[in-house]
Amino acid sequence: GENVEQHPSTLSVQEGDSAVIKCTYSDSASNYFPWYKQELGKRPQLIIDIRSNVGEKKDQRIAVTLNKTAKHFSLHITETQPEDSAVYFCAAMETRYDKVIFGPGTSLSVIP
Amino acid sequence: DAGVTQSPTHLIKTRGQQVTLRCSPISGHKSVSWYQQVLGQGPQFIFQYYEKEERGRGNFPDRFSARQFPNYSSELNVNALLLGDSALYLCASSLGDSNSYEQYFGPGTRLTVT
Repeated sequence: GENVEQHPSTLSVQEGDSAVIKCTYSDSASNYFPWYKQELGKRPQLIIDIRSNVGEKKDQRIAVTLNKTAKHFSLHITETQPEDSAVYFCAAMETRYDKVIFGPGTSLSVIP
Repeated sequence: DAGVTQSPTHLIKTRGQQVTLRCSPISGHKSVSWYQQVLGQGPQFIFQYYEKEERGRGNFPDRFSARQFPNYSSELNVNALLLGDSALYLCASSLGDSNSYEQYFGPGTRLTVT
């Protein structure tokens, strides 16, 4: 079955700097890759996603890149703000089964 | 527009008991998935239902079961509760068609087994 790894597990950046979180997946059949942000005590919130036929997607300060050959995908947050502090989860989905496999999460702290 | 709703918010049960958790998807969404999130970990996939049919199952024991109703709401049942079942149970809904894979989560039900 699918396995998703995520690095780093914790990340601390100064406000205004960029943050990068990297994930790898094992199942080459996975074709949809969402990213979720979860603040303490709250539900996971979908922040951006990418499909396997796209290499890069951007939404304001957030971008995601996908390398299907290497089975790598990454989240890039630019101009970080304190409210970006949260746990971020990458995930991979094989859309025939709608089964989303999550990575273990990255705790991001943005220091004012 | 109402988002995904779940009930109850919190629940305390004793080992060996049974529990039923409920989920109402976003209006128009036909697919519901259930996840277990243990503190400090990512959500773990339990079940996915679409049009009342089970379409996916994660690596959970048969003590876990679910169903989806004609109005697309769903229930998750857990029998013979163990201490290790203590977790946040999340429900997520999606349109379920091939044009849209986005899943939106409910607030979760915090289950504590003592």
